[in-house]
Amino acid sequence: NAGVMQNPRHLVRRRGQEARLRCSPMKGHSHVYWYRQLPEEGLKFMVYLQKENIIDESGMPKERFSAEFPKEGPSILRIQQVVRGDSAAYFCASAQGADTQYFGPGTRLTVL
Amino acid sequence: KNQVEQSPQSLIILEGKNCTLQCNYTVSPFSNLRWYKQDTGRGPVSLTIMTFSENTKSNGRYTATLDADTKQSSLHITASQLSDSASYICVVSENTDKLIFGTGTRLQVFP
Repeated sequence: NAGVMQNPRHLVRRRGQEARLRCSPMKGHSHVYWYRQLPEEGLKFMVYLQKENIIDESGMPKERFSAEFPKEGPSILRIQQVVRGDSAAYFCASAQGADTQYFGPGTRLTVL
Repeated sequence: KNQVEQSPQSLIILEGKNCTLQCNYTVSPFSNLRWYKQDTGRGPVSLTIMTFSENTKSNGRYTATLDADTKQSSLHITASQLSDSASYICVVSENTDKLIFGTGTRLQVFP
């Protein structure tokens, strides 16, 4: 049973471009969480999704950020018109219900 | 405001020695408390999880304690190994879904 998979592992974008981060949860997990970790800081909750539904997006910036978890395929975190402040590690975690969250290896986004 | 604070911020110990990491939280209502280990460049990995009624939980050389009255937890590492070098993160659940992360203690184990 493969763990949580994220791709790409590293992503470089220029200011104004779009970034798409993908997360494939563990088999059997229907709950996906996205977190952002700035250098030297703790992880910050962004959004919690179940299949085709956003359950809690209280940690998502109001503009430029969106997330989805379609019926088929991975969860996508999309950042439009990236700025330098978006540079961070983005972690996805999956869970089977209200259970321990298993984290992926993260995507490191660098905005030039 | 719900917060999780950890100390020390960083720690250096020699291989074979023991150490204890601290976590204080103000999260309410409290559901559970977890300790995660995060290796450099990797995602966090769960070490222990404790609910309100549990005082201690062990996982190999890792032993976590919880005092729900004082809202304090500790993670004790016994007979440290070089592979223990990592960040240790205290995470408190406000409810069963939302996790609040501490900033972590960066542990370095030297030979």
